[in-house]
Amino acid sequence: AQTVTQSQPEMSVQEAETVTLSCTYDTSENNYYLFWYKQPPSRQMILVIRQEAYKQQNATENRFSVNFQKAAKSFSLKISDSQLGDTAMYFCAFMKPGKGKGAQKLVFGQGTRLTINP
Amino acid sequence: DTEVTQTPKHLVMGMTNKKSLKCEQHMGHRAMYWYKQKAKKPPELMFVYSYEKLSINESVPSRFSPECPNSSLLNLHLHALQPEDSALYLCASSQERISGANVLTFGAGSRLTVL
Repeated sequence: AQTVTQSQPEMSVQEAETVTLSCTYDTSENNYYLFWYKQPPSRQMILVIRQEAYKQQNATENRFSVNFQKAAKSFSLKISDSQLGDTAMYFCAFMKPGKGKGAQKLVFGQGTRLTINP
Repeated sequence: DTEVTQTPKHLVMGMTNKKSLKCEQHMGHRAMYWYKQKAKKPPELMFVYSYEKLSINESVPSRFSPECPNSSLLNLHLHALQPEDSALYLCASSQERISGANVLTFGAGSRLTVL
């Protein structure tokens, strides 16, 4: 079974700073997908970024980028030039590819509560 | 339309009531999901429907009854709930890819309080 671990329950930074959220996972699969989801106080889970395990290049989406270390099973999220609107709960998640019951299960970490201070 | 719409946003019910949560998407997604989320915890998978058939039931108590009338709609019927069932209920949908990531799109959730 796959597990996802986020070791930082809470983090707090000043606006415009750069912050890195940690995530490690455990799997015996060779191909899989990793995601970072953001859940602001408005409650809706929003996809921030995703990474395909067979791609060595780290994914980037504007101010958001990941550091994917497959051998170390590490998948950290870096937020550059942080903004007040980045305040949210951030969940790291794992999914197998394709169809079928295994591919339909998104395995979440426990989350990191990030606060951006003005 | 790139949204998953959930109604109602808030629901308060007694333990003897029968109520339903509704979820709708018009993205052509063929997989739909119900998650339960307690405060400060990650979402927990409850049910998955694939092509309108129940694909996964994560040993959820029978007081929760899912229904998928068509490919765009997903309901969660609630009956004889307990106070510990109070939570945020999230609906999500995704494509059913043969290969590649089935990226989930989530709704804003229905906040349920059981008295």
